Amino acid sequence: ETGVTQSPTHLIKTRGQQVTLRCSSQSGHNTVSWYQQALGQGPQFIFQYYREEENGRGNFPPRFSGLQFPNYSSELNVNALELDDSALYLCASSFSASGSYEQYFGPGTRLTVT
Amino acid sequence: QQQVKQSPQSLIVQKGGISIINCAYENTAFDYFPWYQQFPGKGPALLIAIRPDVSEKKEGRFTISFNKSAKQFSLHIMDSQPGDSATYFCAAQNSGGGADGLTFGKGTHLIIQP
Repeated sequence: ETGVTQSPTHLIKTRGQQVTLRCSSQSGHNTVSWYQQALGQGPQFIFQYYREEENGRGNFPPRFSGLQFPNYSSELNVNALELDDSALYLCASSFSASGSYEQYFGPGTRLTVT
Repeated sequence: QQQVKQSPQSLIVQKGGISIINCAYENTAFDYFPWYQQFPGKGPALLIAIRPDVSEKKEGRFTISFNKSAKQFSLHIMDSQPGDSATYFCAAQNSGGGADGLTFGKGTHLIIQP
């Protein structure tokens, strides 16, 4: 069974640029959620994708957007990067958007905005 | 508004002792309460989870105690080992909402002294 994988591991961007982060869900999982974890804090929910559509969103502005593909992998896009976007971005997959809530996290992508 | 409050922020326990971490929540719609363990540079790993229809759940050395009326739940690690040294996060979710995502506490940095 393949776990959740994310790429790249680390990324350095300049303020104002755009970034795309990628996630492959665990085998058998069809739902992907994205979280932002600032240093020393707990993860914060960005949004969730199920059946290739966003079906839930936390308190993040529209410049955070995403995609889910037919193979259930997902992308997180962040436009107009700000210094406060520097964080560990975590992807979590689960079997379904409802019924089972066991979310399994990937190792994360460390984004640094300078 | 912090919906899940976690304490203590840091904890030092002797090897073989019991580690206890507490969380309190505000949203009565929450009905799924997992605990995650995170090592430096890694994503959170699901340890154990509970739903409010039971007051306690045990898996190996890890036990969750749940008090629905007080809106509190706690993690007990029995026979704590140096390998348990990590950051622990409690979380909560409204399963009826489906796409609300997990709401995390701020984490507890646990150190087990040999």
